[in-house]
Amino acid sequence: DAGITQSPRHKVTETGTPVTLRCHQTENHRYMYWYRQDPGHGLRLIHYSYGVKDTDKGEVSDGYSVSRSKTEDFLLTLESATSSQTSVYFCAISEGRYAGGTEAFFGQGTRLTVV
Amino acid sequence: RKEVEQDPGPFNVPEGATVAFNCTYSNSASQSFFWYRQDCRKEPKLLMSVYSSGNEDGRFTAQLNRASQYISLLIRDSKLSDSATYLCVVNIPSASGGSYIPTFGRGTSLIVHP
Repeated sequence: DAGITQSPRHKVTETGTPVTLRCHQTENHRYMYWYRQDPGHGLRLIHYSYGVKDTDKGEVSDGYSVSRSKTEDFLLTLESATSSQTSVYFCAISEGRYAGGTEAFFGQGTRLTVV
Repeated sequence: RKEVEQDPGPFNVPEGATVAFNCTYSNSASQSFFWYRQDCRKEPKLLMSVYSSGNEDGRFTAQLNRASQYISLLIRDSKLSDSATYLCVVNIPSASGGSYIPTFGRGTSLIVHP
């Protein structure tokens, strides 16, 4: 299994509080992604990173920010959590832009509940 | 319209059956294609890549039709353990063109019963 660790694995937080989720990889892969998964929507991209300090928005980026100060770490921050951000969050990594992109490997997910 | 479309199912089949899933994508510049499997409350895991020439891995066969922009997955001799959600993934060029983004269909649910 690819070396990807997400923390925390489960979190309950209150509306309006900031929350940071961490993704750590040991594969030295260039690309890192944050997705959220909700019933009826599948996995939707929040933000992704194509290198240290290089990030871009995905389909559902409103209310989220990211940072990548080291190759191995990609942080997702909910600035002020809302109930609509209750979801399962997955981090993924991929090796790079080769032949149209390589396969992605996923962390085990973080279950976030905003009450 | 979503960029990657799948029939959500569920597909309910008996053990030993052959079942096929299809997936369509809208961006003709897409380069790489994959099928993933996701078990309940777990992370998606790569099942197989999909090549233009078609490829097979045991009971699983994947095919790509670039002209029609669809991908298929065939499972032969279904097992109870095949019950899961199957996700079609297409690497789509980013708006800037500098990256390829794994983009998911909503998944197709398969239930294999005795």
